[in-house]
Amino acid sequence: DVVMTQSPLSLPVTLGQPASISCRSSQSLVYSDGNTYLHWFQQRPGQSPRRLIYKISNRDSGVPDRFSGSGSGTDFTLKISRVEAEDVGVYYCMQGTHWITFGQGTRLEIK
Amino acid sequence: EVQLVESGGGLGQPGGSLRLSCAASGFTFSNYVMNWVRQAPGKGLEWVSYISSSSDTIFYADSVKGRFTISRDNAKSSLYLQLTSLRAEDTAVYYCARDCPVTSHFDQWGQGTLVTVSS
Repeated sequence: DVVMTQSPLSLPVTLGQPASISCRSSQSLVYSDGNTYLHWFQQRPGQSPRRLIYKISNRDSGVPDRFSGSGSGTDFTLKISRVEAEDVGVYYCMQGTHWITFGQGTRLEIK
Repeated sequence: EVQLVESGGGLGQPGGSLRLSCAASGFTFSNYVMNWVRQAPGKGLEWVSYISSSSDTIFYADSVKGRFTISRDNAKSSLYLQLTSLRAEDTAVYYCARDCPVTSHFDQWGQGTLVTVSS
């Protein structure tokens, strides 16, 4: 199985400051069709997960542009340019290239 | 508006069975691949099962293979998950999640239904 490793697992951030979450995969996530099926999800407290970013860097509809995704191969990053109170929750990376596996989750909290 | 509404969760006995349902609306259900994803209390997300739009391709996670059965009824815009031989480790919130043919995995999620396995 492809193992997805996120860091940090806990991320205290001051309001208005940037935040960054790393996600590393145990194998390259480039699929035979040329796409990289690496996505990011947000799960606010008490809510269902919501996809923020698909295929590395594409924002889903309605996702604020302070969220951005980057990376390639086995190394990926989710960045929030200026953290707001509504960003509190757990963030998961997920790969869909080799079956489906999720990272352990990164808990973002306000300092 | 796309809606996915799960139901059927509750208390199940070890070794027992439950059937989960997911009612879809706001989109042409028969055109979309669907999945079940679960989340044990306080834990992360785990993909459980996949079914193609016409039900001709089905996959399961190793942890549920041989015990869970995914199915769908496109005429009723509904997705199902039959859980049998329940174990304590199946205790989780079960979400149905849609795949988008353009943007890929899990673009829409339901609110989840809680399954608790305990005697």
